[in-house]
Amino acid sequence: GAGVSQSPSNKVTEKGKDVELRCDPISGHTALYWYRQSLGQGLEFLIYFQGNSAPDKSGLPSDRFSAERTGGSVSTLTIQRTQQEDSAVYLCASSRGTPSGWDGYTFGSGTRLTVV
Amino acid sequence: RKEVEQDPGPFNVPEGATVAFNCTYSNSASQSFFWYRQDCRKEPKLLMSVYSSGNEDGRFTAQLNRASQYISLLIRDSKLSDSATYLCVVNKDTGRRALTFGSGTRLQVQP
Repeated sequence: GAGVSQSPSNKVTEKGKDVELRCDPISGHTALYWYRQSLGQGLEFLIYFQGNSAPDKSGLPSDRFSAERTGGSVSTLTIQRTQQEDSAVYLCASSRGTPSGWDGYTFGSGTRLTVV
Repeated sequence: RKEVEQDPGPFNVPEGATVAFNCTYSNSASQSFFWYRQDCRKEPKLLMSVYSSGNEDGRFTAQLNRASQYISLLIRDSKLSDSATYLCVVNKDTGRRALTFGSGTRLQVQP
């Protein structure tokens, strides 16, 4: 597609429920990233996928968080047993994987998650 | 210490003013540098890359000082539409390409 697409745009869930957030990157972008942004805070790195390499999960805050990227394209971020502190905007970004001419990421518009 | 530090502001300036933001980064091995702009309740968007020799894009000028590990953004002739949060962004690992974002500096341009 023309841009990075995320769904849903908003999600309200009860504490303890599981949620799945979806990201469809720009066609041809081999790298995909998940970040989250809490209210008034900076972006916190969560996980990074590059091609067929093992993902960099170093930013996941707990084992309740996991992510997959199927077929090198669409990615799903899953949060199990949601807690109120998980409330944030979850942003997905993609970029070209080549070393030259890299100009950073393109972000999706995010999923605003509210845990009540 | 945060990897990327910015003054949160807000910077309140009149239209037409020149305003400058600075940002410091802690990892001397950092390779790539960017300024992103984020409007309220929107996703960040790339404003400009920052090159070692400094670069300009219209009213915006970015500078990098590797020795002092800081990056600056200068906005000339501020417009109301420049009101946003400006994020300083650093990549320390070209192989990994994971960017580290500062918390942002908020700019409010007043009529």
